[in-house]
Amino acid sequence: KAGVTQTPRYLIKTRGQQVTLSCSPISGHRSVSWYQQTPGQGLQFLFEYFSETQRNKGNFPGRFSGRQFSNSRSEMNVSTLELGDSALYLCASSLAQQGKVFFGPGTRLTVL
Amino acid sequence: AQTVTQSQPEMSVQEAETVTLSCTYDTSESDYYLFWYKQPPSRQMILVIRQEAYKQQNATENRFSVNFQKAAKSFSLKISDSQLGDAAMYFCAYRNTFQGAQKLVFGQGTRLTINP
Repeated sequence: KAGVTQTPRYLIKTRGQQVTLSCSPISGHRSVSWYQQTPGQGLQFLFEYFSETQRNKGNFPGRFSGRQFSNSRSEMNVSTLELGDSALYLCASSLAQQGKVFFGPGTRLTVL
Repeated sequence: AQTVTQSQPEMSVQEAETVTLSCTYDTSESDYYLFWYKQPPSRQMILVIRQEAYKQQNATENRFSVNFQKAAKSFSLKISDSQLGDAAMYFCAYRNTFQGAQKLVFGQGTRLTINP
């Protein structure tokens, strides 16, 4: 069974632009969550989706948004990029109630 | 809010030796999951082991085992017969079980170095 996939793997943007990251969960997994990883703040939870509904949201500004489609694929969007948004963005999926959470390889976003 | 603390920023061990990574957490919940994840230089987050809080028996996965002390809110990872491929950042993580919530709360990580 294929793992969690994320595209693109690397992105370079400039301040003020917006970006969309994509995540495809493991087949059969309906729960998808996103995390931001930076050297200073570590791993921080962004949001979680289940069956196209946002179930939980972390403490991030409204510039960070996401959605989930009927096939469980998810996208996150960051508008008006700032230098501090440079990070590794990790997507994870799980079977609801099953407990194990599996991560994708991440998207490395650099904001210049 | 739940918190996870890893008090060892860095650890090192000789190849083939045993090393223990520490983790403590804070929660008012009685049922939850605890995890150890490994993140090698590739940055891929790999699930090492999972512990369900309602289970008294410590989880084991091959050379990896945990010491789960619920009352003390402690969850340490023991790596036996350390191998060069074990070198990575290790993160301890907590997850609630209610509402099937997937949100993970991570510690700051421990960088493990294996000396040949």
